[in-house]
This record gives sequence, C-alpha cells and structure tokens, in this order.
Amino acid sequence: DGGITQSPKYLFRKEGQNVTLSCEQNLNHDAMYWYRQDPGQGLRLIYYSQIVNDFQKGDIAEGYSVSREKKESFPLTVTSAQKNPTAFYLCASSKGMSGDQPQHFGDGTRLSIL
Amino acid sequence: DQQVKQNSPSLSVQEGRISILNCDYTNSMFDYFLWYKKYPAEGPTFLISISSIKDKNEDGRFTVFLNKSAKHLSLHIVPSQPGDSAVYFCAASANYGQNFVFGPGTRLSVLP
Repeated sequence: DGGITQSPKYLFRKEGQNVTLSCEQNLNHDAMYWYRQDPGQGLRLIYYSQIVNDFQKGDIAEGYSVSREKKESFPLTVTSAQKNPTAFYLCASSKGMSGDQPQHFGDGTRLSIL
Repeated sequence: DQQVKQNSPSLSVQEGRISILNCDYTNSMFDYFLWYKKYPAEGPTFLISISSIKDKNEDGRFTVFLNKSAKHLSLHIVPSQPGDSAVYFCAASANYGQNFVFGPGTRLSVLP
C-alpha cells in the first residue's frame, strides 16, 4: 500500500531548539516537497528536491534545512532561526515536476512552540 | 502578491444541489491547474486537473471549467454530498519544472 508517511503527527519545540520532521515515501517518486500551511493561507513551498542529493529553496526557506540522501526520504529540520515555526507542515511527492503530475501528500505534522 | 486566488473562504450548499468553487489566477504562463480536497488533520488529495489546451474536464460528479481569457477556473460538484464537505485548494503550474502555486482554499459545507 504505497503512500507518504510523515512523523510525528504532533511535535513541540522549545525555544532555541532544532527539530526534525520525517517524511518517507514508497511510491518510487523522484520529486519531493515540503510545504507550510498557516490558517487562512494556501500551501507555501519551503524546499523541494527533484532527485537524490539535490534540493532547491522554495518561497519561504529561511530558518529551515533539508537533506535528500535517499530517494524515499526527505527530512525537514526547523532550526532555531525560524522565529515563527508554529504551523502545519505537509510533505509531498510526485513522479516528476511536469504540470500534469499531481503531488501526493502525507497527513502532515503540526508543530507548536512550548 | 497572490498569484492564485480563491475569494470565497467558505461555501454552504444543500445536499443534492450543485457546488461551484471558484479560482482566479494572475500569471498568464500557468498552463496546468489542479484541484485538491483536504479533510481536517489529513493531507490534501488530488481531485481533478485541466490543462490550458482544454476548457472542460469531467470526472464523475466533478467537472472543472477553464476560462483562459478571464484567468478563471471553477470546480462544479453535482450532486453535492455531505462527504464532499472539506477544504478545496486550487493549484496552478507553468511549464515543466515549475512548482505549483496554491490558493488559500475554500471550505465547502454540504448540509444534509
């Protein structure tokens, strides 16, 4: 049963702490993405990766970092430099990056500040 | 500067009637448009898409219409069912390798 798994579902961060959100896919997709959703706003792209060992900044990359060491994994680290990290984070993947290839999403991680 | 707009934050429709969700865009380079549906605490799921070479695409109860000259697309759901109650996102993409831009979403409530 293929899909995207995000963990944990809920995460709490203390001030000055880095936290890492996990994203794993078994769809054999080349492209993976991280989005942030805030209330009343659409999904905003943080980082994306078209292939292993390569990734690009999206619209709101400041305060975040990623790695893509394996095709199936694309973890996101929310660093202490991200001053407003409270949000719903969504990971997605797609076969490629052409417009006719929709993205498949995980169920998200909700990050809150303690 | 929102390139993809969904000006109705919410919409309520009676079960069995038609739901019409609207989406406007500003970038004339967009050539693929997708609709996603999202339930609370879940990720969005792909619903239906349309390319700029078409003006209509239909899949069961869902039809998407594209008016390129007006930079407007709409999603019609007929007949609406209570299980359709969710947030609907419109997304647009321009050319290969370009990322999708998402609208803010419209929350649809289908009343029994």
